[in-house]
Amino acid sequence: GAVVSQHPSWVICKSGTSVKIECRSLDFQATTMFWYRQFPKQSLMLMATSNEGSKATYEQGVEKDKFLINHASLTLSTLTVTSAHPEDSSFYICSAPGRLDTQYFGPGTRLTVL
Amino acid sequence: DQQVKQNSPSLSVQEGRISILNCDYTNSMFDYFLWYKKYPAEGPTFLISISSIKDKNEDGRFTVFLNKSAKHLSLHIVPSQPGDSAVYFCDPCWTRAGNMLTFGGGTRLMVKP
Repeated sequence: GAVVSQHPSWVICKSGTSVKIECRSLDFQATTMFWYRQFPKQSLMLMATSNEGSKATYEQGVEKDKFLINHASLTLSTLTVTSAHPEDSSFYICSAPGRLDTQYFGPGTRLTVL
Repeated sequence: DQQVKQNSPSLSVQEGRISILNCDYTNSMFDYFLWYKKYPAEGPTFLISISSIKDKNEDGRFTVFLNKSAKHLSLHIVPSQPGDSAVYFCDPCWTRAGNMLTFGGGTRLMVKP
């Protein structure tokens, strides 16, 4: 079946660093990918829609300059959390749509900013 | 015990030539690295990163190489420009698990016109 991978799976960084998270569709092409974040005991929150070859579409309240998205190819989207601070610590998940409105989710990346 | 070392405190390069900044680490669990540059009286700014699934990452004039077996990474700047004169830090993030972060001492790069 279709698989979406994320790298890294877990990252701990000092405040002020920028962290890049990669999302790959492993055996299918994805012109669109979605980025979510999930705080403890809360549901997934859609951050942005990543579009291959064009600018990402951000949800209301999500800072474009803070969360840079690059969808450079049909199998790779990257999310860069720029100048990360402790409040950015969260679980970041990507997904890619498959056939018949299915969504394939990546395993997530846990970011901890100290 | 310093787990990340930048053994060259300074480097002087002629404009247009290649600048190579080196970083060595001892902990094999480090698998995600960031390079920063810092101008005097300013905070460090993110430059380029590399994760252990790659051995090279290129962004314009900047290329970072990672040699996992040697626990060594290097930043190449080609061609060097006077505006590149700054202090460069190699900074690992500890992925998967861990409770300590260590940083190199930085290398001061001077690019002469």
